[in-house]
Amino acid sequence: GNSVTQMEGPVTLSEEAFLTINCTYTATGYPSLFWYVQYPGEGLQLLLKATKADDKGSNKGFEATYRKETTSFHLEKGSVQVSDSAVYFCALSPRLSSGSARQLTFGSGTQLTVLP
Amino acid sequence: EPEVTQTPSHQVTQMGQEVILRCVPISNHLYFYWYRQILGQKVEFLVSFYNNEISEKSEIFDDQFSVERPDGSNFTLKIRSTKLEDSAMYFCASGSGRSGNTIYFGEGSWLTVV
Repeated sequence: GNSVTQMEGPVTLSEEAFLTINCTYTATGYPSLFWYVQYPGEGLQLLLKATKADDKGSNKGFEATYRKETTSFHLEKGSVQVSDSAVYFCALSPRLSSGSARQLTFGSGTQLTVLP
Repeated sequence: EPEVTQTPSHQVTQMGQEVILRCVPISNHLYFYWYRQILGQKVEFLVSFYNNEISEKSEIFDDQFSVERPDGSNFTLKIRSTKLEDSAMYFCASGSGRSGNTIYFGEGSWLTVV
C-alpha cells in the first residue's frame, strides 16, 4: 500500500537558519505529492505540491522537488522565520482513473519551532 | 479564495451520545472527505464520497459512522454512539478531482468525548 515517512521531530531552529524536512514515500505508479502546514490552533493548509517527477513545488519561500529516483519530496527553506513555526505534513495522492476519490496518505508530521 | 467551512469548531459530548459534524465544501468540487487527527498523531483518512455515495472508507469508519450530503451544499459526518477514543480533530475536505488531485481542508471540528 501507499505510505509516507517523514523526518522525526521536533525541529528547533534559529531565525534565518536553513530548513530541511525529509520525506520519502512508497506508492505504485506516479502519485502526486504535497506538503501541508498546520499552524497552532488551525486546520491543514496546502503549502505546495508537485504532480510529476522533477516538478518543483514552491510557496512562501518553501520548495520541494519530486524525485522519483529516490522517492523523495524533501521540504526546504533558505531562511526560516518565527512565523514558520508549525507542524508540516508530507502527503501523497495516488494517480488513479478519473472518478476515483484519490484520498491522501499523510506522514506523521514534523513540528518546527523557530526561535527569534 | 473559496474555502471549506466546518461547524462546530469545538463540541463536547457525553459518551454514548450522537454527534453530527457539518461541512460546506467548495462549491464546484465533486469529491468530499472526512479525516481525523487524534491529538499528537497522524492525520488519518476516514471516508471519501463521490456521486452521492461512499467511494472509499478506512477500517476506522465502522458502523457507528455515517456520512450524508442532505442537500446541494452540506456534507455531514454522524457518529452514532460516541466513545472516548473518538475524541479528535475531524477535518472535512473537498477536491475537484482535477489538476494534481489537490484536496482542500477545512479548519476542523474538535470533538471531545467525556
